[in-house]
Amino acid sequence: GEKVEQHESTLSVREGDSAVINCTYTDTASSYFPWYKQEAGKGLHFVIDIRSNVDRKQSQRLIVLLDKKAKRFSLHITATQPEDSAIYFCAADNAGAKLTFGGGTRLTVRP
Amino acid sequence: EAAVTQSPRNKVAVTGGKVTLSCNQTNNHNNMYWYRQDTGHGLRLIHYSYGAGSTEKGDIPDGYKASRPSQENFSLILELATPSQTSVYFCASGRLGGLYEQYFGPGTRLTVL
Repeated sequence: GEKVEQHESTLSVREGDSAVINCTYTDTASSYFPWYKQEAGKGLHFVIDIRSNVDRKQSQRLIVLLDKKAKRFSLHITATQPEDSAIYFCAADNAGAKLTFGGGTRLTVRP
Repeated sequence: EAAVTQSPRNKVAVTGGKVTLSCNQTNNHNNMYWYRQDTGHGLRLIHYSYGAGSTEKGDIPDGYKASRPSQENFSLILELATPSQTSVYFCASGRLGGLYEQYFGPGTRLTVL
């Protein structure tokens, strides 16, 4: 089955800098790659996604890049703010209904 | 606003006891999911459903059953709870066909003593 590896388990950046979280996947059939944010004590909240027909997507300060050849995708958060501090999860969907999640990255934005 | 609620929010159970976790969604989504979250493992899919009466095994179904009596409700059942099932459980809903965002509930923290 699909396996998703999230490379950074923790990440610390200074406020205003950019943060990059990288994920790799194993199944070439995967075609949908969402990102979720989890704040302390809460459930996951969708932030952005990318489908395999494009290689870049931007929503305000969030940019997702997809490299299908390398089976790699990444989340870039620009101009980070303290409220960006959270755990971020990447995921991949290759079966049309099931997501496989990475292990999560705890992002800390330092003042 | 999409809404997924879970009950109870916290549960302490004894080994060998039966535990039922409930989930309700008002999104009118066909798909519903149960995940567990453990440190270092991210979220792992236990069971999911395509609609009322449907249940499918996810990646880690052993020791769990699921029930989908209606579009709105999806339950996770631990017939004989074990300490290894101590975890945080999340329910989610999503549109038929997948490939769209899932909406998550707030989670249930289960401790099996």
